Amino acid sequence: GAGVSQSPSNKVTEKGKDVELRCDPISGHTALYWYRQRLGQGLEFLIYFQGNSAPDKSGLPSDRFSAERTGESVSTLTIQRTQQEDSAVYLCASSLGATGERETQYFGPGTRLLVL
Amino acid sequence: AQRVTQPEKLLSVFKGAPVELKCNYSYSGSPELFWYVQYSRQRLQLLLRHISRESIKGFTADLNKGETSFHLKKPFAQEEDSAMYYCALSSYGGSQGNLIFGKGTKLSVKP
Repeated sequence: GAGVSQSPSNKVTEKGKDVELRCDPISGHTALYWYRQRLGQGLEFLIYFQGNSAPDKSGLPSDRFSAERTGESVSTLTIQRTQQEDSAVYLCASSLGATGERETQYFGPGTRLLVL
Repeated sequence: AQRVTQPEKLLSVFKGAPVELKCNYSYSGSPELFWYVQYSRQRLQLLLRHISRESIKGFTADLNKGETSFHLKKPFAQEEDSAMYYCALSSYGGSQGNLIFGKGTKLSVKP
């Protein structure tokens, strides 16, 4: 079946503008994760959704970042008033669950964001 | 604090040579360790996880709790192994499901 998809694949924006990134997880996956990868760095956890539980927002770097998820489907990551340091590849992943064998995460292709 | 360290940014070996990608972690609980791989122009994908104790594409990794290491090894490297490799840690069985990644090691296998 289809894997995790993300859109857009590339986004160029001007400093101060808002951007919205979209993630479609694998059907049936209850857990969804957002990560950020800045140039030369590892993946940095942003936010995690598990079913109907309150999301774990502990990785969001500032209040300019927010994310929503509709049920167990699509998620959007919004960055308000973008800054140049927000430039990165934003990766989405999903998994069947969050424990044991179910926690294997499947990644999307990422959205490459460039803030000018 | 939970942390994953991959000390080598780049590792270059010749085809047929053994390869070892180092990974050290710090975590106070019972970690679950993973290796993810990203081939050129492909998405990040799971290579192996320690709980499965599998050998994938000839790669193995043993969790050494005493040394807090999870090094990835392959006895004979192939050119198609060239990729970015990321070691990652997850808290097992807890409510926190996110992975903590190292910065990655770029493996280059020369002919």
